[in-house]
Amino acid sequence: GQQLNQSPQSMFIQEGEDVSMNCTSSSIFNTWLWYKQDPGEGPVLLIALYKAGELTSNGRLTAQFGITRKDSFLNISASIPSDVGIYFCAGQREGSNYKLTFGKGTLLTVNP
Amino acid sequence: ETGVTQTPRHLVMGMTNKKSLKCEQHLGHNAMYWYKQSAKKPLELMFVYNFKEQTENNSVPSRFSPECPNSSHLFLHLHTLQPEDSALYLCASSGGRGGYSTDTQYFGPGTRLTVL
Repeated sequence: GQQLNQSPQSMFIQEGEDVSMNCTSSSIFNTWLWYKQDPGEGPVLLIALYKAGELTSNGRLTAQFGITRKDSFLNISASIPSDVGIYFCAGQREGSNYKLTFGKGTLLTVNP
Repeated sequence: ETGVTQTPRHLVMGMTNKKSLKCEQHLGHNAMYWYKQSAKKPLELMFVYNFKEQTENNSVPSRFSPECPNSSHLFLHLHTLQPEDSALYLCASSGGRGGYSTDTQYFGPGTRLTVL
């Protein structure tokens, strides 16, 4: 099935640094979601975006719904050790109703 | 706190066993989902129930049998599984409107299944 191109696959950063990751697709999406998954746990919703151009923040996290509706970005500012985990993007394609398409995830490691 | 619970959290079973996974959502949602998450693969949608009706079976082998007795509970019955079925099985729920579930999905913590 269709996949989202999520990059980078992994990141190793120092505590305090800012982080950016993104997802792109050749299809138009109506919804973009960003999740974080800790080892052995289910994905936890971080930010939901429903409108092209929308910029939404959740604490140190900021995500944007690309104006073309084919991409989305997640930024984490001033990273801390508990930001470690896998970050997934997910999108609902135009006309797909309830189905979500997921990226493969970005593994974030933060060195104290 | 996701409001979606799953039991058991860990399960080890032999290929001839029969077991069931349980999911319960406390969010008042109308749609529930089963996903399979294997290492280094994107989440794979297995089944979708909307208002207790199965609306999606994503070519899942018959050794996986879902059951949705009401909008708050979802089961996945397992029998004669294969070692390659070992994975994290995630349940999710969303609001749902009419025949479609377009709302954001909230996940449970998952059941880590190992098939010997």
